Amino acid sequence: DAKTTQPNSMESNEEEPVHLPCNHSTISGTDYIHWYRQLPSQGPEYVIHGLTSNVNNRMASLAIAEDRKSSTLILHRATLRDAAVYYCILSVWAGGTSYGKLTFGQGTILTVHP
Amino acid sequence: GAVVSQHPSRVICKSGTSVKIECRSLDFQATTMFWYRQFPKKSLMLMATSNEGSKATYEQGVEKDKFLINHASLTLSTLTVTSAHPEDSSFYICSAPRTGGRYEQYFGPGTRLTVT
Repeated sequence: DAKTTQPNSMESNEEEPVHLPCNHSTISGTDYIHWYRQLPSQGPEYVIHGLTSNVNNRMASLAIAEDRKSSTLILHRATLRDAAVYYCILSVWAGGTSYGKLTFGQGTILTVHP
Repeated sequence: GAVVSQHPSRVICKSGTSVKIECRSLDFQATTMFWYRQFPKKSLMLMATSNEGSKATYEQGVEKDKFLINHASLTLSTLTVTSAHPEDSSFYICSAPRTGGRYEQYFGPGTRLTVT
């Protein structure tokens, strides 16, 4: 499985933008880049996904490098509720039994200061 | 609102007993669901893939006889931890893809299992 590398932790101040990096140098052409986040004692929550082009939704933006070997999750204005562990995951698309499997790495612990 | 539910949210059982955890997709059908476990301050570890109408597929190192999975319908998968021991104490989370594996998956809120 293609792996991702993320910083262990990052800090931000409330209402400031946050850029969470992810390296995935062994990404294959059919891998989608997914971001999930997990608040304490909860199941993960979908944030955003993309393939090649940058993506925006109500929660965040995803900037994907042209060579697809890295990506950045952008929270435009961090709030205290954004404090969570953020996971960058490459979808395992091999068809058949691998369909939909998500392999979680260690993620980035985001701390937001008031 | 939540689209995947789990029951119970937390359970305490005695060593040697079995515990069943339910995972339900609330407003969509899921032919595939996934079961994860998570130890404190650790990441999620995929245990198995639950397939409706067929046997579950277990990840390497996960004992299929200990963690029984039954995908009885298109909206329900159950995980039974048999003969539970204290080392099975963990946070168990299920997930289900809604529109296919390339897109978002919905995770349940998790079940905290404590074996005494």
